[in-house]
Amino acid sequence: EAQVTQNPRYLITVTGKKLTVTCSQNMNHEYMSWYRQDPGLGLRQIYYSMNVEVTDKGDVPEGYKVSRKEKRNFPLILESPSPNQTSLYFCASSYSTGELFFGEGSRLTVL
Amino acid sequence: DAKTTQPPSMDCAEGRAANLPCNHSTISGNEYVYWYRQIHSQGPQYIIHGLKNNETNEMASLIITEDRKSSTLILPHATLRDTAVYYCIVRDIFGNQFYFGTGTSLTVIP
Repeated sequence: EAQVTQNPRYLITVTGKKLTVTCSQNMNHEYMSWYRQDPGLGLRQIYYSMNVEVTDKGDVPEGYKVSRKEKRNFPLILESPSPNQTSLYFCASSYSTGELFFGEGSRLTVL
Repeated sequence: DAKTTQPPSMDCAEGRAANLPCNHSTISGNEYVYWYRQIHSQGPQYIIHGLKNNETNEMASLIITEDRKSSTLILPHATLRDTAVYYCIVRDIFGNQFYFGTGTSLTVIP
């Protein structure tokens, strides 16, 4: 089954404790991206990747890092999480010219 | 990529057609119009996309005006399960960024 898998789905952590949200897709998509969703602000893009070892900033990259060492994986790294990074996060992937497929979301709370 | 404008909310009676408008007045010639929907806090789901011509699939129809500055997503027979937030996005065929905005919250009323 074609899917985008995110882990963890739910996480409560404390300020400053590094965490990684993993994202994996099994569709051999070149393009992957991360979004955060906050009430009243819709979906905002954090980072995207056009292919292995190619990443770029989206609209709200501050406080986040990503890497794309393999085509199927695109982890989102919060080196020093802060409460303003409490949000619902979505990973998505697509072929370069196709529609996005989204993961089920990861709800992160930073205390 | 151009950005879009959608009404924040709409209601539709169950069984009737739901027509969701979207303005994309700064769209360029190589940008496609995509529609997605999000039910509760699930990941957005692709519905349909088009460039110039009207499109139809098993879920919906997409009507794009001749000048391409606006479009309408049509759900022909809305059901309660169509209650969701609908996002209209424009994307260059080689575009890297999708601007989702805040979408239209559609409520289907029994």
